[in-house]
Amino acid sequence: NAGVTQTPKFRVLKTGQSMTLLCAQDMNHEYMYWYRQDPGMGLRLIHYSVGEGTTAKGEVPDGYNVSRLKKQNFLLGLESAAPSQTSVYFCASSLQGGQPQHFGDGTRLSIL
Amino acid sequence: SQQGEEDPQALSIQEGENATMNCSYKTSINNLQWYRQNSGRGLVHLILIRSNEREKHSGRLRVTLDTSKKSSSLLITASRAADTASYFCATDPYEGSGGGADGLTFGKGTHLIIQP
Repeated sequence: NAGVTQTPKFRVLKTGQSMTLLCAQDMNHEYMYWYRQDPGMGLRLIHYSVGEGTTAKGEVPDGYNVSRLKKQNFLLGLESAAPSQTSVYFCASSLQGGQPQHFGDGTRLSIL
Repeated sequence: SQQGEEDPQALSIQEGENATMNCSYKTSINNLQWYRQNSGRGLVHLILIRSNEREKHSGRLRVTLDTSKKSSSLLITASRAADTASYFCATDPYEGSGGGADGLTFGKGTHLIIQP
């Protein structure tokens, strides 16, 4: 049972480039989340989804877009990467809102 | 904005000692959860305590919740080197309390180091 899988694990981008971070869960969870973690800032919610075909903004959504075309997948896109988006990105899922979340091991993204 | 605030930010103790971490939060909650994060890994859920509960145990973990003070504590007894990690509290805001987006709101964490 893989749980939550994030790809890629590491990536270096140049300013202005675009990329998509992939998240897949095999637990049939309804809710999925994207967070970023920066030193001294803890986890901040970027976007989340309460079910297939739905997305909503979190605390820090600017510069990111998401899609949830299939229940098991949640994609995070950066259209034009900026150095301020250098961070570790975590995907998580839960059965319902407010319930324990299961996390992937993160994507370490550097924007030069 | 961060709902939970852990204290202390860092804690270093000897193996075998007990470790206590505290969490304060601002709005009414449905539940409060504690997570552990090992270096380079994702967060792992440890324990959930509901707003109508005052204390909960899981193995060497003991969590208390005081909703009147909007605070919680996590006690790890008989610490081991493997307990070295960052520990986060997360709150599930009560609907209508103005606590923020759906789902959990995480604090900044306590970094715990267990000295062998």
